[in-house]
Amino acid sequence: DIQMTQSPSSVSASVGDRVTITCRASQGFGTWLAWYQQKPGKAPKLLIYGASSLQSGVPSRFSGSGSGTDFTLTISSLQPEDFATYYCQQTNSFPITFGQGTRLEIK
Amino acid sequence: QVQLQESGPGLVKPSQTLSLTCTVSGASINSGSYDWDWIRQPAGKGLEWIGRIYNVGSTNSNPSLKSRVTISVDTSKNQFSLRLRSVTAADTAVYYCVRVQPGAFDAFDIWGQGTMVTVSS
Repeated sequence: DIQMTQSPSSVSASVGDRVTITCRASQGFGTWLAWYQQKPGKAPKLLIYGASSLQSGVPSRFSGSGSGTDFTLTISSLQPEDFATYYCQQTNSFPITFGQGTRLEIK
Repeated sequence: QVQLQESGPGLVKPSQTLSLTCTVSGASINSGSYDWDWIRQPAGKGLEWIGRIYNVGSTNSNPSLKSRVTISVDTSKNQFSLRLRSVTAADTAVYYCVRVQPGAFDAFDIWGQGTMVTVSS
């Protein structure tokens, strides 16, 4: 199985801040990497696919980069609605696996 | 727009079989080249992939579930289903059905709202 490790596990930030979340894979797989946002009591929402492609309807302040084993999700200017938990996911090989999540909290 | 809705018992006894159904609305389940997956999330924890049913009807599941999983489709009802046998308390979780988007590197572009299943006697 490909292990996905996110860092940090939690981060505190303020509205307007730039935040970067990292996801590292135990083995490389190109750009078969997605990012999701999950708010309490809700299903995850797709933000980024193919490591860097923005899902339709997602604000442009979200961006993704990376390939192989190292990936990042960046939020350029935090908005109040961005405080949530974020997960990376590899879809390159079975079983599909997710990172453990990064909780983004208000400072 | 396409929507997914999970349904099934919220309480299952240990050793019994968990059965859930996902109803697809807004599109035919066998139109296009979409695949359909099940995901689960224990309270306060991360996401675990359970398995997939391909648009051609074959399936794949997580080896961690040790062949307890069966995923099937009923095109006449526009539904796909999950059966998880011999459940224990460790199977208590919110279960989600999702659509796999082949044009998005197989990311999960549509999710159901999730249904909570508790395994307890």
